Amino acid sequence: DAGVTQSPTHLIKTRGQQVTLRCSPKSGHDTVSWYQQALGQGPQFIFQYYEEEERQRGNFPDRFSGHQFPNYSSELNVNALLLGDSALYLCASSSRGLGYTFGSGTRLTVV
Amino acid sequence: GQQLNQSPQSMFIQEGEDVSMNCTSSSIFNTWLWYKQDPGEGPVLLIALYKAGELTSNGRLTAQFGITRKDSFLNISASIPSDVGIYFCAGLNYGGSQGNLIFGKGTKLSVKP
Repeated sequence: DAGVTQSPTHLIKTRGQQVTLRCSPKSGHDTVSWYQQALGQGPQFIFQYYEEEERQRGNFPDRFSGHQFPNYSSELNVNALLLGDSALYLCASSSRGLGYTFGSGTRLTVV
Repeated sequence: GQQLNQSPQSMFIQEGEDVSMNCTSSSIFNTWLWYKQDPGEGPVLLIALYKAGELTSNGRLTAQFGITRKDSFLNISASIPSDVGIYFCAGLNYGGSQGNLIFGKGTKLSVKP
């Protein structure tokens, strides 16, 4: 049973560029949440998708946007990248508030 | 962003020792979760707690959901080298098809030199 898969694993982008990260949830899960983890910190909630809609959002600017597809997979898009956006981006899937399972993350470096 | 108060920030362990860490919040939660994260990996769920006062074990790990719903602790008994890593607590309030995890800053376990 595949868990949460994220791609790519690593990414290097230049300031001002745009990036798209992808996530496939664990089988049986219908909710996808995205988190940003800076070095030495706990993950910070970005937003959550359920039934292809953004249901909840953390304290992140509009440069961060997302999408959920009918097969429950999800994308995270970040526009106009800043150096401070460098972090590990984690995707978590769940169902009805249960079974929060994380992927291995995408390490984004902005130069 | 909001983070829970997790302590200690770091600790050194010697094989065979028991380890304790805890997490406190100014807000109540209806679920507490404990995760372990190894370098370059995502957090892996260790224990989930759903009721105030609940005490749950997973092998050598034991966690409790505080009766005030504002705190939780995790104990590791008879530590082994593979226990090294970063442990995170997370609180969750789920309702209306939404709910997000609020994390602590983590407790880093290292082996005593």
